[in-house]
Amino acid sequence: AQSVAQPEDQVNVAEGNPLTVKCTYSVSGNPYLFWYVQYPNRGLQFLLKYITGDNLVKGSYGFEAEFNKSQTSFHLKKPSALVSDSALYFCAVRPHSGGYQKVTFGTGTKLQVIP
Amino acid sequence: DSGVTQTPKHLITATGQRVTLRCSPRSGDLSVYWYQQSLDQGLQFLIQYYNGEERAKGNILERFSAQQFPDLHSELNLSSLELGDSALYFCASSDPSGSATDTQYFGPGTRLTVL
Repeated sequence: AQSVAQPEDQVNVAEGNPLTVKCTYSVSGNPYLFWYVQYPNRGLQFLLKYITGDNLVKGSYGFEAEFNKSQTSFHLKKPSALVSDSALYFCAVRPHSGGYQKVTFGTGTKLQVIP
Repeated sequence: DSGVTQTPKHLITATGQRVTLRCSPRSGDLSVYWYQQSLDQGLQFLIQYYNGEERAKGNILERFSAQQFPDLHSELNLSSLELGDSALYFCASSDPSGSATDTQYFGPGTRLTVL
């Protein structure tokens, strides 16, 4: 069965500093990987996804993520954090082998950007 | 605005009761997903429908059921409600292809409170 781990419940970063939100996954075969963001009292919004090809994926709002197959990781990054980036971030994985598979979400990481 | 609508926004009911949550997907999307988000269990996938047919099942209790209608809207029925069913329930829809690479677009959620 596939799984996603987001090892940090909360990440604090100063405004203007680079940020990283960590995600590791476990799946049989190759993964499709996704990042979503949830602002307070809102539904999840899609940020970016890795399907195949270039390991560095660029997404919305200046976010990017790097797929590392050997480390089974898909960390979310941004060069310069904004206060408005403060939100809950979810990593998700879906295998693309063995027939149709459901998507599995991580437990979420709360990002707090400090002014 | 994702284009996915959910009603009602809030629902307060008593233990033992039955409720129905409604979701309308984005125009053109054929897949509908249901998720439960609670503080202690994070975001849990419940069930997916594709063009009226059940496609994947997650951690959905037997007291819960769902269906997708010919006009593609979906309903999630929760019966014999327990206090622990209090949560945010999200619906999402995805690109018409129905493939595993599809991005999911989330609705604003229904907050269910069971007293």
